[in-house]
Parts: sequence; structure tokens; C-alpha cells
Amino acid sequence: AQKVTQAQTEISVVEKEDVTLDCVYETRDTTYYLFWYKQPPSGELVFLIRRNSFDEQNEISGRYSWNFQKSTSSFNFTITASQVVDSAVYFCALSEAINQGAQKLVFGQGTRLTINP
Amino acid sequence: KAGVTQTPRYLIKTRGQQVTLSCSPISGHRSVSWYQQTPGQGLQFLFEYFSETQRNKGNFPGRFSGRQFSNSRSEMNVSTLELGDSALYLCASSLWARRQETQYFGPGTRLLVL
Repeated sequence: AQKVTQAQTEISVVEKEDVTLDCVYETRDTTYYLFWYKQPPSGELVFLIRRNSFDEQNEISGRYSWNFQKSTSSFNFTITASQVVDSAVYFCALSEAINQGAQKLVFGQGTRLTINP
Repeated sequence: KAGVTQTPRYLIKTRGQQVTLSCSPISGHRSVSWYQQTPGQGLQFLFEYFSETQRNKGNFPGRFSGRQFSNSRSEMNVSTLELGDSALYLCASSLWARRQETQYFGPGTRLLVL
């Protein structure tokens, strides 16, 4: 079965610090897709990034960057120069194909990130 | 485009009652998935609908059911509510629910069972 582990339950840093959220996944599939979502206090899951297993290029989007390493089955997320607005729960997820081509997401337990002013 | 909408946003019920939650996907999206989020179990897949057909269901009791209408809107129903059903119920939509697609989530319905 597929599994996603986010070992860091909570992280607290001071504003402007860099912070990395870890994600380790398990899958037997050769083709798979990984996602990061942000969940602010309002509850909605906000999509951040999707990465397929064939593309190991790191991605940078503003202050956000992602490091995907198949060799260690990790897909880590770094926020540079963190801001208070980055405070949220962050989820890493793996897309699992189920019958008839349907998709479901397998989520990690989430990392609660608190940025203190 | 408008995002995924869910109604109601908040709901309080008592044990034994039933509840119906509604989800309207992004325009043009044909797949709707439901997830339950609790502090203890995290985010868990409930079921997925595509073209009015339930294609798969997660490991939940039969009290949890759903349906999808021809306009892709979806409802989920929980009968004989239990305290443990208190959770945030999230709906997500995607075009075809293929593995490589992104699922976009709504704001959720917070259900409290007393």
C-alpha cells in the first residue's frame, strides 16, 4: 500500500527564517504523482505543487522550493524568508490509481507550521 | 472560474440523526471526491464519483453514502450519526480524476455531532 510520512508534526520558527518540511513516501508504482497542499485555519486545502515521478528537477516558485529525490523517496518543501502568512498546516500527498482509472490521494499527517513575528 | 463550493459550511447534529452535505465542483470538472479529516485519523478518502457513478469507496461503513447528479454536483449523506463522525468533510474536483490531475478542494463542511 502507498504511504506518506511527514515526521515533523509541528514546526515553529521566527519570521524570515528558512524552514524545510520533510515528506517521505512509499509506493511500488513506477509512475506516481506527488502533491503539496496548504491548509490555512479556514480549512480549505490550497494546491501548491504537483510533481511526477519522471521529473526530478527541483522547482522554485518565489519563496517556495521543492526538492524531489527518488533515491531517498523524499519530496521536501522549503520556504525561504518565512512570513507570518505562511503559518498553516502543510500536507504532502501521493496520488494512487484505483480501479477504473479513478484517483485518490493518500495524505501524510501534516506539519503544522507556525511563523512567529 | 469559481472554485469548489460546499454547503453548508457548519453543521451541528445529534447522534442518530442523518445529514446531507453538498458539493459543487469547478465548472467543467466531472469528478468529485470526498475526504474526511479528523485530528486522529487525518485526511481519509471517502469516495469518488465520475459521470454520476461511484468508482470507488474508502474504508468507511455503509452509513456513508453519496451520489452525483448530471451537472456533476455531488452530495454525501451520513445516516445514524455517531460522535466519531464529527469532522471536516472536504470535497475535491478534477476534470477526469486521472492520476496526473490535480484535485482542487472546497472550503469544507465542519460537522459536529453531539
